[in-house]
Formats: sequence, C-alpha cells, structure tokens
Amino acid sequence: GAGVSQSPSNKVTEKGKDVELRCDPISGHTALYWYRQSLGQGLEFLIYFQGNSAPDKSGLPSDRFSAERTGGSVSTLTIQRTQQEDSAVYLCASSPTTSGNYEQYFGPGTRLTVT
Amino acid sequence: DAKTTQPPSMDCAEGRAANLPCNHSTISGNEYVYWYRQIHSQGPQYIIHGLKNNETNEMASLIITEDRKSSTLILPHATLRDTAVYYCIVPQLYNFNKFYFGSGTKLNVKP
Repeated sequence: GAGVSQSPSNKVTEKGKDVELRCDPISGHTALYWYRQSLGQGLEFLIYFQGNSAPDKSGLPSDRFSAERTGGSVSTLTIQRTQQEDSAVYLCASSPTTSGNYEQYFGPGTRLTVT
Repeated sequence: DAKTTQPPSMDCAEGRAANLPCNHSTISGNEYVYWYRQIHSQGPQYIIHGLKNNETNEMASLIITEDRKSSTLILPHATLRDTAVYYCIVPQLYNFNKFYFGSGTKLNVKP
C-alpha cells in the first residue's frame, strides 16, 4: 500500500520567508510525528499528534514553528520567518499505535534550505 | 527513553553476518527494544522490535539477553544495500511518542 508521502521534496527559501511542509500519513494510522535532521546529525523530535488529542508540542524549537493535523489525517508544518539554522531535512512519520506497537513509518523527508 | 549505547561504526564483509550490539542497562521491565536503520538520504526504516524473546523477520533477527540489558541485531547475509546507520531505541513505556534516535552505528558493508 501507499507509504507516508511528503511534499515538497526540496524547498529553497529566503531568510525571513514563511514555509509550509506537508505530510500525508498512511491511511488509518492514528499517530503522526514530525522530526528534523540537520546535516550529519541524528533525528530531533518536533511534535506528535495522536488521534483527536491535543498535540505534544514539546519538541518545537521556537514559536516560529507550528503544526496542524486536519481531520486526523494530513499534517502541515509551518515555519514562520525562516532562519538559516532552520535548514534541515524535515521528516514525517505515522504509526498505527495499536497496543504495544510503536512502529513508525517514515516519509522521504523535505529538504529545506534557507538562504 | 532508556539510554542506549552503540558503537559509532562497524565494518562487515558482503555475504557475512553483521552483528550490531546495543547496551540498554536501564531498561524497564515492559519497555520494548526497537531497531531502525537509515540509508543515506532516506527516512528511517523500521527493522524489528522485541520485548524478552528473540525475534526474527524477513529483514533481521533480534537477540535480547536474559537480563534485557543488551541486545544484538543480526543481518544474516549482509549486502551492500545494508550500508546504513542503525539505531537501537528503547521508548519509554508511557512516553512512547518520543523516540530518541541517538547517533546509532554506521554499518559499512564492503565487497
């Protein structure tokens, strides 16, 4: 079946501009995660959505970052007034979150470059 | 997450078994051990997970010690396409949304 998809695959933007990154999770998965990965670094947790519950935003690095998940499916990560340090690969993952099953299925990522 | 410790890199000859160790000495009784890998320029890929018993699937085997303080991921016949960073993760039982991927082990499969 279809996996997690993300768009765009690459985004180049000027410092100070706003960007929106999209994630389409696997159909039926109740949990959705956003991570970012800077060059040569590990994954950094950003935000987590579970069903209709309030999202866990504890990983968002600043108030310039926000995310929504509409209808329990598609999610958009928005970065306002982008800075050069925001340059990274932004990864989305979804999970069925059945009992004891924490498997996360990742999308290919969006490579963001802030010039 | 329970802290995990992995060697930064390992080499393996193509066609041989790759054995990747992970220490998780602070693991709690009901916390699972998960393994993911990340091939260059791709998103992480789930490999396998286990609690107490050894597990096997089409990708790999997972051997967990009886005291659960360490585990080994085994790729029985490594190929060049298995070159990747392998992450051992032990998510907290009631905070499982926050996977900590750490630095992982860079496995280099050589011809």
